[in-house]
Amino acid sequence: NAGVMQNPRHLVRRRGQEARLRCSPMKGHSHVYWYRQLPEEGLKFMVYLQKENIIDESGMPKERFSAEFPKEGPSILRIQQVVRGDSAAYFCASSPGTGYEQYFGPGTRLTVT
Amino acid sequence: GESVGLHLPTLSVQEGDNSIINCAYSNSASDYFIWYKQESGKGPQFIIDIRSNMDKRQGQRVTVLLNKTVKHLSLQIAATQPGDSAVYFCAENSLGNMLTFGGGTRLMVKP
Repeated sequence: NAGVMQNPRHLVRRRGQEARLRCSPMKGHSHVYWYRQLPEEGLKFMVYLQKENIIDESGMPKERFSAEFPKEGPSILRIQQVVRGDSAAYFCASSPGTGYEQYFGPGTRLTVT
Repeated sequence: GESVGLHLPTLSVQEGDNSIINCAYSNSASDYFIWYKQESGKGPQFIIDIRSNMDKRQGQRVTVLLNKTVKHLSLQIAATQPGDSAVYFCAENSLGNMLTFGGGTRLMVKP
């Protein structure tokens, strides 16, 4: 059973470009979560999605960031007009439902130059 | 605001010794806690969890203790090995969806 998959593993973007991060949850998991981690810090919640629905986006910046989890295909975290402060590791996690452990992917390390 | 925090940022232990990593939480409504291990360049790896109706749970070489009176969580690792070297995070889940992570403790195992 494959774990949570994320791609790309590393992404370099210039300021003002767009970044698209993809996440495929574990088989049988319909709940997806995105977290951001700065160096030497804990993970910070961004958004929680189920298929075709955003359940909780209380951790998402109000501008430039969006997320989706379509009926078919991976979940996408999109960052428009990236700035240097967006440089971080972005982790996706999945679970079979609420109140269960969340399993994390290997992360995408975004570097904005 | 509500937060999860750790007492020790770095813990250095001798191989074979037991390790204890501590975590304090402030949200009394939290009902589910998880310990994660994160190695450099990797995603957090689930270690063990505990629900608020328990005060102790054991896994393979690991034990989690929950003291709701003082809002304290600990992770005990028996016979610590070099492969245990990593950053350990506690996380709480009080709303059924998002996890709130502590700042992390770096465990260094000396051979």
